[in-house]
Amino acid sequence: GAVVSQHPSRVICKSGTSVKIECRSLDFQATTMFWYRQFPKQSLMLMATSNEGSKATYEQGVEKDKFLINHASLTLSTLTVTSAHPEDSSFYICSAKKRGDVDEQFFGPGTRLTVL
Amino acid sequence: GQNIDQPTEMTATEGAIVQINCTYQTSGFNGLFWYQQHAGEAPTFLSYNVLDGLEEKGRFSSFLSRSKGYSYLLLKELQMKDSASYLCAVQDSNYQLIWGAGTKLIIKP
Repeated sequence: GAVVSQHPSRVICKSGTSVKIECRSLDFQATTMFWYRQFPKQSLMLMATSNEGSKATYEQGVEKDKFLINHASLTLSTLTVTSAHPEDSSFYICSAKKRGDVDEQFFGPGTRLTVL
Repeated sequence: GQNIDQPTEMTATEGAIVQINCTYQTSGFNGLFWYQQHAGEAPTFLSYNVLDGLEEKGRFSSFLSRSKGYSYLLLKELQMKDSASYLCAVQDSNYQLIWGAGTKLIIKP
């Protein structure tokens, strides 16, 4: 199989705090991981593409200093939302591509972030 | 610009057949995906088309016409559990996924 996990599944935090979300590929090596954000009733929006051992590539309009991405190993990528504000409340989903697999992305279960 | 269009919402009856259309305009094409997403959950993969024609997988089939920039997802023998959003996504020339907004499918008994 190709299982991707995320932790935590749900987080509520106060405005101004930072939140770290982990994305792990449990049974395969993921050379590339993607971070998406999904607002209610909207499509998935790609935030950044993360390749193991190199800096993430951010999409236009996504602040790299606010959404820190680290892809330290072939099975783990983290997204840190720094100084979170209520408008950052969203569903954050990661996905991973297997090493050598050009096409299919395997999705994590998502993390629902609520900033009070 | 890049654009994926699909209907916002559709309603169908349990046991019937429904077709969800998707049209796209993207910079390059390296395949089209259909995903199913239940509320509050991440998308799950349904199908992948890169060549023209129909791909059948059980109750679900997906069709692609690259010349028309068009695809559809066909769901047969609808079940209540098929109530979900169906997302069309195109892989562009950089192998990035461009997502449609999704079609919310409501199944009625």
